[in-house]
Amino acid sequence: DAGITQSPRHKVTETGTPVTLRCHQTENHRYMYWYRQDPGHGLRLIHYSYGVKDTDKGEVSDGYSVSRSKTEDFLLTLESATSSQTSVYFCAISPAGTYEQYFGPGTRLTVT
Amino acid sequence: EDKVVQSPLSLVVHEGDTVTLNCSYEVTNFRSLLWYKQEKKAPTFLFMLTSSGIEKKSGRLSSILDKKELFSILNITATQTGDSAIYLCAVEAAKDTGKLIFGQGTTLQVKP
Repeated sequence: DAGITQSPRHKVTETGTPVTLRCHQTENHRYMYWYRQDPGHGLRLIHYSYGVKDTDKGEVSDGYSVSRSKTEDFLLTLESATSSQTSVYFCAISPAGTYEQYFGPGTRLTVT
Repeated sequence: EDKVVQSPLSLVVHEGDTVTLNCSYEVTNFRSLLWYKQEKKAPTFLFMLTSSGIEKKSGRLSSILDKKELFSILNITATQTGDSAIYLCAVEAAKDTGKLIFGQGTTLQVKP
């Protein structure tokens, strides 16, 4: 837990506004992931990164973009937030070549 | 489409009971299956399984994988109230990306 932080931890925003969530790691792990968690859906992958400036889409990427300019930071942006993006967002990291992912504390986002 | 399905979705038991949680999957390139426990915060890693028939065990928790029938079970014996949580099953289905496909989760409540 200490190696991954997310900010903000809670956010309420209005429909149509841009929102950026930040994931910061101190583990120097290569892989970073953004998930959303909604009741009845488990965790769903939004985007992931396999290195600085290297990112790819997950299963629910529409309406989201990401950037990774430094190993330690992975940003998730909602360009124009919608109510369907109300969710809990988790960041995760993993070292190269392993399957075990370590999760951050989560960000609860409410879009009104 | 790759899919992971967990059952039951929720379960209520009493302390001391034994529970079995199920996870079935359909993926094109199976690599490994992972179990996570999620209390009121981020998921934490329990087990990773890659080979059929080999039981992984940690205290009162154990898990086994059947790659022929495409499922895994997680057993918890002598349940305690501290076992109350959401149990998530995930499958890694893409080589060297660490992309995980999660099931919906099983919510376990253990009553005193």
